[in-house]
Amino acid sequence: QKEVEQDPGPLSVPEGAIVSLNCTYSNSAFQYFMWYRQYSRKGPELLMYTYSSGNKEDGRFTAQVDKSSKYISLFIRDSQPSDSATYLCAMSRTSYDKVIFGPGTSLSVIP
Amino acid sequence: SAVISQKPSRDICQRGTSLTIQCQVDSQVTMMFWYRQQPGQSLTLIATANQGSEATYESGFVIDKFPISRPNLTFSTLTVSNMSPEDSSIYLCSVGSDTQYFGPGTRLTVL
Repeated sequence: QKEVEQDPGPLSVPEGAIVSLNCTYSNSAFQYFMWYRQYSRKGPELLMYTYSSGNKEDGRFTAQVDKSSKYISLFIRDSQPSDSATYLCAMSRTSYDKVIFGPGTSLSVIP
Repeated sequence: SAVISQKPSRDICQRGTSLTIQCQVDSQVTMMFWYRQQPGQSLTLIATANQGSEATYESGFVIDKFPISRPNLTFSTLTVSNMSPEDSSIYLCSVGSDTQYFGPGTRLTVL
C-alpha cells in the first residue's frame, strides 16, 4: 500500500462547478497537510497547508483534514478555466520534514 | 516563508555527461531536500541534505549517481552523473519552515 493515495483522474468539470479532490494516507504520524497546484511544465505551487485536523479556507479554496479517517480534501468553489492543472496532495510529520506526495489529480475546467 | 531559486532553469544534455543544479535559499535552513519529478509522475524524494553532514538518500537513489553538496545553510547542489535519457525529469529543491516551499525546478532533458 502506498503511503499516500490520490485518484489520478483526469477530472473534467464545467466552469462554475464545485470540485472535490481527495487523498487518503496510511501513516498516522503525518501532521502537516499541503495542497500544491502544478501547471504544465512548471514546478508545484503551494496552495494551502493545514496542521492536524480541521478546515481552512482561502478564497475559493477550502482544505479539510480528517485525521481519524486519514482523509484530506480540497474543495474549489466557482471553478474557473484557470484552475485547470494537476493538484498534488502532500504531507509530512513536521513542517521541516520531508514531504510525501500523492500521485496528483489532473483537473480540467471547461468554459 | 522562504524564497528559493534554482539554476539552471532548464538544460538539454548529452548521454554520459553530468549536470550540477544549484539551489539558493533566502534564509538559513537546516535541512534542504531534493526531489525528482519524472514526466507524468508525482514528486519523489531523492535525498535530504543537512549542512555539515553527508546527505541521506532514499531507497533507489545512490550518492554516486546523485552527489549532493551542502557547503552552508543557504545553498546546496545536486549533480546528476553519467546521465541517460531516463534521467530526463524536473529536479526541485525544497526547504521547510512553516511549511514546505519549493524552488521553481530545473527541467532536464537528456538526449
